Amino acid sequence: DAKTTQPPSMDCAEGRAANLPCNHSTISGNEYVYWYRQIHSQGPQYIIHGLKNNETNEMASLIITEDRKSSTLILPHATLRDTAVYYCIVGGNKLVFGAGTILRVKS
Amino acid sequence: DVKVTQSSRYLVKRTGEKVFLECVQDMDHENMFWYRQDPGLGLRLIYFSYDVKMKEKGDIPEGYSVSREKKERFSLILESASTNQTSMYLCASKGQGAGSYEQYFGPGTRLTVT
Repeated sequence: DAKTTQPPSMDCAEGRAANLPCNHSTISGNEYVYWYRQIHSQGPQYIIHGLKNNETNEMASLIITEDRKSSTLILPHATLRDTAVYYCIVGGNKLVFGAGTILRVKS
Repeated sequence: DVKVTQSSRYLVKRTGEKVFLECVQDMDHENMFWYRQDPGLGLRLIYFSYDVKMKEKGDIPEGYSVSREKKERFSLILESASTNQTSMYLCASKGQGAGSYEQYFGPGTRLTVT
């Protein structure tokens, strides 16, 4: 499974867009990019995934570069409840979680 | 709504005890997973199962075993608990085939071995 690199932490003002970057330069052709988040004391929660194209759902947007070596998760209007650890994962049936990015949304 | 439940939120056991952590899912998912989560190390896969009675080792299987006798239930067994197995244990399930991409996690069991 390919490895991912994420910044350890980020801050975002409430109501603004949060853009979380992820590098996955060793991704192979059939591996998806997944994003999960984990709010304190809870299990991880799926956010979104993609293969090549940009994706959007009710929670977030996922932008994948054309060479697929990096991606960005966008939370369009961050709220205090979006404060969590965000994990970018590349893989298939098995997920390998890294350390993730701690996103702090501040009022 | 998919539900993954774990038998306990908090558990305290003594060194050398045999410990069973139970996980049940209600969505008829083929795949089930056990992870442990430790500060600074993220989530690490212990074992997973893709069908009843089938299991595969994850990244850190040493000191653990698993059992999947029924599709909805996946048990993690610590044969002889040790203090370095103090951790948060998370169970997840996932369907199979097209459109099944999401792992659904339970709330976790915080195990303390003294």
